[in-house]
Amino acid sequence: DAGVIQSPRHEVTEMGQEVTLRCKPISGHNSLFWYRQTMMRGLELLIYFNNNVPIDDSGMPEDRFSAKMPNASFSTLKIQPSEPRDSAVYFCASSSEYGDNEQFFGPGTRLTVL
Amino acid sequence: QKEVEQNSGPLSVPEGAIASLNCTYSDRVSQSFFWYRQYSGKSPELIMSIYSNGDKEDGRFTAQLNKASQYVSLLIRDSQPSDSATYLCAVNIYSKTSYDKVIFGPGTSLSVIP
Repeated sequence: DAGVIQSPRHEVTEMGQEVTLRCKPISGHNSLFWYRQTMMRGLELLIYFNNNVPIDDSGMPEDRFSAKMPNASFSTLKIQPSEPRDSAVYFCASSSEYGDNEQFFGPGTRLTVL
Repeated sequence: QKEVEQNSGPLSVPEGAIASLNCTYSDRVSQSFFWYRQYSGKSPELIMSIYSNGDKEDGRFTAQLNKASQYVSLLIRDSQPSDSATYLCAVNIYSKTSYDKVIFGPGTSLSVIP
């Protein structure tokens, strides 16, 4: 059974460019989470969806960040325009309503903004 | 006070010893607690979950929960160099919006010395 799938695994872009990160949750999981991890700030929750609906986006740093979940098997996190301080590893995770909120993480996307 | 706190470490133990990792949390009504292991450059991986006061054992790992004192710990017996990683404590925080949220601590870096 495939785990959470993220793409791309690495992204290098220049400041001002648009960046789109993609995630496919585990089949049957109804909650999806986007995290950002840096050495300074640790693992931060950006936004999470339940049944494709955004529930809590209080962690989204600013309007340059947006996330969508058009269906149960796909989500995107977009940064426009990107800035060097956005450089981090972005993780997507999913969980099932039949569990106890155990989250399963994807491999992450390492973003570098020059 | 931060919602979930851990000593950042690094915690160094000799091979074969017991490693003790501690975590405190602020939300008195939290019901679900998790330990994740994260190897350098990898994504967090769930290793233990605990929901009731007391101990829960799984192989060389024992999770301990004390809700009255609001702490949860992870013991690793017979520590191996392969246990060297960052260990993240995660707590399910009750939300007034009725959707609970899992909050991660900053992680404790463990180094097992051969």
